[in-house]
Amino acid sequence: EIVMTQSPATLSVSPGERATLSCRASQSVSSTLAWYQQKPGQAPRLLIYGASTRATGIPARFSGSGSGTEFTLTISSLQSEDFAVYYCQQYTDWPLTFGGGTKVEIK
Amino acid sequence: EVQLLESGGGFVQPGGSLRLSCAASGFTFSSFAMTWVRQAPGKGLEWVSSISGNGGYKYYADSVKGRSAISRDNSMNTLSLQINSLRTEDTAVYYCAKEKSTWGDNWFEAWGQGTLVTVSS
Repeated sequence: EIVMTQSPATLSVSPGERATLSCRASQSVSSTLAWYQQKPGQAPRLLIYGASTRATGIPARFSGSGSGTEFTLTISSLQSEDFAVYYCQQYTDWPLTFGGGTKVEIK
Repeated sequence: EVQLLESGGGFVQPGGSLRLSCAASGFTFSSFAMTWVRQAPGKGLEWVSSISGNGGYKYYADSVKGRSAISRDNSMNTLSLQINSLRTEDTAVYYCAKEKSTWGDNWFEAWGQGTLVTVSS
């Protein structure tokens, strides 16, 4: 099983600042990585797939990068609606696995 | 607009069974793989099971393998998950999710709102 490790567990950021979230895979997943955002009481929402392709309707302030085992989700200028939990997910092999999540909170 | 509506959750005793359903609309259901993902209270996301668009491919997490069955009825646009021998650790919100294509693009571009399963004595 490919283990996905996200860091930090919690990120405190002021509105308007940049947030950088990390995701590491225990073995190479090439570019088969997705990012999701989840707000309290809501279902997850797809942000990024293919490590760097924004999903339909996702603002340009969200960007993904990386390949192999190291990935980054960057939110260039945090808006109030961006405070949430973010998960990465690999889909290169079964079982599909998620990272433990990074909570982005208001500083 | 894609809509996914889960149902079938509830309170069940350990050892019991449950059948979850997901009613899909707004897209050609048979053309897309579908997946169940669960989330225990206060915890992260856990993939449970996936099925290809024609139902020919099915995968399960080890945590439910052997006591669960994923299925789909493409004529009724419905996805199902039968879970038997339920354990307290199966307590979670169960989401159904739509994948990008009939098979192979195993990320989840649309999600339902989830149905809560509580396993307790």
